[in-house]
Amino acid sequence: EAGVAQSPRYKIIEKRQSVAFWCNPISGHATLYWYQQILGQGPKLLIQFQNNGVVDDSQLPKDRFSAERLKGVDSTLKIQPAKLEDSAVYLCASSLIWGPRGNEQFFGPGTRLTVL
Amino acid sequence: DAKTTQPPSMDCAEGRAANLPCNHSTISGNEYVYWYRQIHSQGPQYIIHGLKNNETNEMASLIITEDRKSSTLILPHATLRDTAVYYCIVNFGNEKLTFGTGTRLTIIP
Repeated sequence: EAGVAQSPRYKIIEKRQSVAFWCNPISGHATLYWYQQILGQGPKLLIQFQNNGVVDDSQLPKDRFSAERLKGVDSTLKIQPAKLEDSAVYLCASSLIWGPRGNEQFFGPGTRLTVL
Repeated sequence: DAKTTQPPSMDCAEGRAANLPCNHSTISGNEYVYWYRQIHSQGPQYIIHGLKNNETNEMASLIITEDRKSSTLILPHATLRDTAVYYCIVNFGNEKLTFGTGTRLTIIP
């Protein structure tokens, strides 16, 4: 079974520029998550989708971050404009169902963003 | 607001059992214990989860104390590929995963 795909794997931008990340979850997985992982810390959930609806975006900095999941499959995460503190690895994960087994999340390799 | 406490680092000799402890003294009756690990430069990987009973799968065993205030993840025969950061997470199963800083396990040849 194919895993969660993310692109690009690496991105370097200057502050105030815009950037977008793409995620393709495992086929059939209804729930999709975006996490931010700053160096030395555990991943932090930014947003969770159930199909194409948002379940939790309480930790998404909505003044600069946006995410969408059109047609309940692929998703994009955008940062506009980027700040230095946005330098991190952005991880996408998906899970088959909601509930205890739904916390068996499958993670992609992540996109490492460096903001200069 | 972490619900779990884990040692920051541990070493284990290759081929031996690695026992990773986790304290969750404030766990509620319906909260699950999840374990994930993150190998360098990769996304986290689900290992195992449990509620009250001990659990075993092809990767590891999870031992939960009777009072459920602590648990231990056991990797029975550690290999170099098990070197990773291991996260213990407690939640009700239908809420977001909150990762702490985990335990950095180093397998020594």
